[in-house]
Amino acid sequence: DAGVTQSPTHLIKTRGQQVTLRCSPKSGHDTVSWYQQALGQGPQFIFQYYEEEERQRGNFPDRFSGHQFPNYSSELNVNALLLGDSALYLCASSKGRPPNHEQYFGPGTRLTVT
Amino acid sequence: GQNIDQPTEMTATEGAIVQINCTYQTSGFNGLFWYQQHAGEAPTFLSYNVLDGLEEKGRFSSFLSRSKGYSYLLLKELQMKDSASYLCAVRDPGTYKYIFGTGTRLKVLA
Repeated sequence: DAGVTQSPTHLIKTRGQQVTLRCSPKSGHDTVSWYQQALGQGPQFIFQYYEEEERQRGNFPDRFSGHQFPNYSSELNVNALLLGDSALYLCASSKGRPPNHEQYFGPGTRLTVT
Repeated sequence: GQNIDQPTEMTATEGAIVQINCTYQTSGFNGLFWYQQHAGEAPTFLSYNVLDGLEEKGRFSSFLSRSKGYSYLLLKELQMKDSASYLCAVRDPGTYKYIFGTGTRLKVLA
């Protein structure tokens, strides 16, 4: 049973560029949440996708956008990259219907913006 | 708004017991979670409390007091592999948003 997978593992981009990160949820899960984790901090909620729609959004600018596909996989897009976007980006999957309290996290994508 | 407080760092000895506290201020309550995160790895789910009291799971136990906005994670018989960050999180009531604390970095010494 495959867990949550993310790609790529590491990424280096330049300020102003755009990036796309990918996530495949755990088998049987239909909900995907994205988090940004800066060094030494806890994960910050970016948004959650369910049934191919953004169901909830955190306090992140519109430069952060996403998509969920019919197979429940998801992408996170970040435009006009800033140095402050350097972080570990985590994807977490869960089941959309209660009880859905257990989230499974992927290994993350380490993004470095130079 | 929601706010979560945890100590930044703790140190304990192998074989000992350690208690990691978490206090939260929320406009409502919809469950409290504990996650373990080893350096450079993803968080892994440890426990979930929605009612007051103690939940025990092997060497790990988690306690919740909703009236006090307080939880703790108790780790018994500490092992070197328990050296990690421990994250406390709550689910924002009425939303699907999870709010994490900054984490407590636990160092287990031989």
